[in-house]
Parts: sequence; C-alpha cells; structure tokens
Amino acid sequence: DAGVIQSPRHEVTEMGQEVTLRCKPISGHNSLFWYRQTMMRGLELLIYFNNNVPIDDSGMPEDRFSAKMPNASFSTLKIQPSEPRDSAVYFCASSVRGGAGNTIYFGEGSWLTVV
Amino acid sequence: DQQVKQNSPSLSVQEGRISILNCDYTNSMFDYFLWYKKYPAEGPTFLISISSIKDKNEDGRFTVFLNKSAKHLSLHIVPSQPGDSAVYFCASAIQGAQKLVFGQGTRLTINP
Repeated sequence: DAGVIQSPRHEVTEMGQEVTLRCKPISGHNSLFWYRQTMMRGLELLIYFNNNVPIDDSGMPEDRFSAKMPNASFSTLKIQPSEPRDSAVYFCASSVRGGAGNTIYFGEGSWLTVV
Repeated sequence: DQQVKQNSPSLSVQEGRISILNCDYTNSMFDYFLWYKKYPAEGPTFLISISSIKDKNEDGRFTVFLNKSAKHLSLHIVPSQPGDSAVYFCASAIQGAQKLVFGQGTRLTINP
C-alpha cells in the first residue's frame, strides 16, 4: 500500500520566495494533518482537515502560511513570503477519522531551507 | 506553552540493557497517549499506545506505563537493540479527537 506521499523531499529557497509543499494522503483516509518539526518545539501541528474542510488552523504561525485541500487526495501548504526561520521539516500525515485510537500515518517529510 | 514535554533530548544505553524514555503532560483532558519512532530522513511511525483506563500496555519488547496522577508516561524497551536507535516522540490526545500533541522528542542511541 502506498503511504502518505510528500513533495518535494528537499527544497532550498531564498528568503522572500514562495514555497509550496504538496501531499497525497493514504487512499481512504479522510483526515489530513500538516506538522512542522523543529529542534526546540518538536512536532507542532499547523493545521488539519476532515473531509477536505479545515478544522483547526490555530497552529499556523502567521498569515504567511496557508493550506488548502481541494480534494480528498491532495493538499498543499504554502509559505509566502518565506523567511529563514521557516527552515524546518514539514510532515504531512493522514488518518481515518474514528479509526483505531488516534493513530496517524506520516509521510517522509519535506526538508525546507530558506537562505 | 508546551503541553507535552520530553525533558531529555538524548539518551544513550548499552545494547541488552533497558531503555526508559519519559514524557510529561499538563492537560488533564488528555486520555490517550502514543509513542512514535522516527529514523533519520523518514517520517515518524506509530509504536505503541495506551488509553487512560489502563496503567500499562505491553507489546513485545516495548511497554508503556501511565501515571495519571503525576501526568507522566514512560516507554520501556527491554532488551535494547541497535535498531532501536532513533528519535522517540510521545503524543497525547483526547480520545476520538483528531489532534495529537507531540513532545520535542528524545534521541535514543543504543551502543553495542
């Protein structure tokens, strides 16, 4: 079975540029999450969707961050304009709402470096 | 404010001995707890979980203990193996809710 697929795996961009991260959740999963990993704060939830609808975006750090889920098989996380402090690993994850416990399944992450 | 805390950034254990990773939480509403394991350049993968109605859950070499009064959980790995070297994240949630709150992670190194 294909897991959560993220692209790009690595991105290096200049400060001020727009960054778009992409995610394809596991087929049949109806919840999708965007997390960010940093050394100081570990894994932080940025936003999550149920059935393509954003439910909680309280973790989105600033208006520079936005996320969309136009259909059940695709989501994007956009940063515009990007800043060096946005450098982190961004993970997308998916789950079946009401499934086993609260288990969610992560992609391999997108490593973002803003210089 | 960090609702889930892993106060040890790293831990080094000799192969064959017991590894104990600790996690504290502050939100008394949390009633479901999970541990995830993460290898370099990979996403975190689910390891073991426990509901607040239990104080222990065991799966092979992995055991999670929950102390609700202290708002503390721990993961025991025995015996530790080199393949256990990874970053371990604990996570807390309100059961049935979608949101998992993770700690900062602990890097476990198993020395041969």
